[in-house]
Amino acid sequence: DNVLPQSPTTMAASPGEKVTITCHASSSGIYMNWHQQKSGTSPKLWIYDTSKLASGVPDRFSGSGSGTSYSLTINTMETEDAATYYCQQCCSTPYTFGAGTKLELK
Amino acid sequence: EVQLVETGGSLVQPGKSLKLTCATSGFTFSNAWMHWVRQSPEKQLEWVAQIKAKSNNYATYYAESVKGRFTISRDDSKSSVYLQMNSLKEEDTAIYYCTPGPFAYWGQGTLVTVSS
Repeated sequence: DNVLPQSPTTMAASPGEKVTITCHASSSGIYMNWHQQKSGTSPKLWIYDTSKLASGVPDRFSGSGSGTSYSLTINTMETEDAATYYCQQCCSTPYTFGAGTKLELK
Repeated sequence: EVQLVETGGSLVQPGKSLKLTCATSGFTFSNAWMHWVRQSPEKQLEWVAQIKAKSNNYATYYAESVKGRFTISRDDSKSSVYLQMNSLKEEDTAIYYCTPGPFAYWGQGTLVTVSS
């Protein structure tokens, strides 16, 4: 119950490629946040309330999901998108995080 | 501009205590629900504690892993939130971040290392 399952754990994508990361919530009826973290920096809120892009996030990113299955999609991978992405159950305790998906540039 | 500055982290022996401080600016602190989140050396993020606003009677919530050992508090006059950590264990070793709900802003974190 302490960590939400995320898949894949790691992946590599080429520029222009479509990327999808999935996360499974421990219960239904929740909203999902996604955070981006680059090496040596603090996490940044990237997507909130399942599908809303945080300020400054490019519109090639999108979030979706319902029930217990949620996803983050990058329509066309760009170099700057290489990072680790964490999902997080929002809006009530415990605010459990996912295990993280490390996205690398191929 | 929102700023969050966490301080107080250090190397401490198991069983000892430590108090973290998060000084904030750039938003209406008194209305914010504040959280502490930690990141282990293995990079796993874990929500630690939450304190709600005065209008919610400063209600507090904790992760099971820290319940009974950690205490979150706040001082609205100083726009600061605190984390008192007692009976520290090696598995509490992490970077500790404070963040206002809904996790839109993060500080640089403060490193707590629990080791003999």
